[in-house]
Amino acid sequence: SQQGEEDPQALSIQEGENATMNCSYKTSINNLQWYRQNSGRGLVHLILIRSNEREKHSGRLRVTLDTSKKSSSLLITASRAADTASYFCATDRMDSSYKLIFGSGTRLLVRP
Amino acid sequence: NAGVMQNPRHLVRRRGQEARLRCSPMKGHSHVYWYRQLPEEGLKFMVYLQKENIIDESGMPKERFSAEFPKEGPSILRIQQVVRGDSAAYFCASSPSNPGTGENYGYTFGSGTRLTVV
Repeated sequence: SQQGEEDPQALSIQEGENATMNCSYKTSINNLQWYRQNSGRGLVHLILIRSNEREKHSGRLRVTLDTSKKSSSLLITASRAADTASYFCATDRMDSSYKLIFGSGTRLLVRP
Repeated sequence: NAGVMQNPRHLVRRRGQEARLRCSPMKGHSHVYWYRQLPEEGLKFMVYLQKENIIDESGMPKERFSAEFPKEGPSILRIQQVVRGDSAAYFCASSPSNPGTGENYGYTFGSGTRLTVV
């Protein structure tokens, strides 16, 4: 199975609400990243958290990392309709840091 | 500084034809990576190339698929005798050196080529 697995697979919320997505992985990592993909488009890098960090913020994004549980969460606060997209976590393993391993994504719908 | 350029954006091929996907890395980037994304799935690593060298092709099918990154010109992902299961989005990324450092990891993705096999 995948190194990174997100849950939920799909999430539908009202504009203004917060959205939380989770990611689990299996092996030791250097970094964990979150990407956004709008339908039919390329990937946009959102945020990177290193294995020795526990929490990171960027604008309305908050990422946590728990290496003991091999899990991460992405929180988007005060969501907007423009946040509608698929969100992927990606990890890189210590023995092959150039290779990103993606989960299958969370499809977020923000209703106006 | 244009980003990672991939062309074509969309490619339709009949079963048995060849597909050639091109990727021009960002200026100054000498490392190129190809990923494949099947519908409703995440990206899967295919191959990592540096100029004139294949570093890791562990994610690429042994049959029909090949990749190159010549000294001059773009990186090419070539799929021979395409089948319906090859229909996917193919993404290229580039980095200036071995990624894993820096706040953005050093990776930049292109917008992808969407291959449809009919």
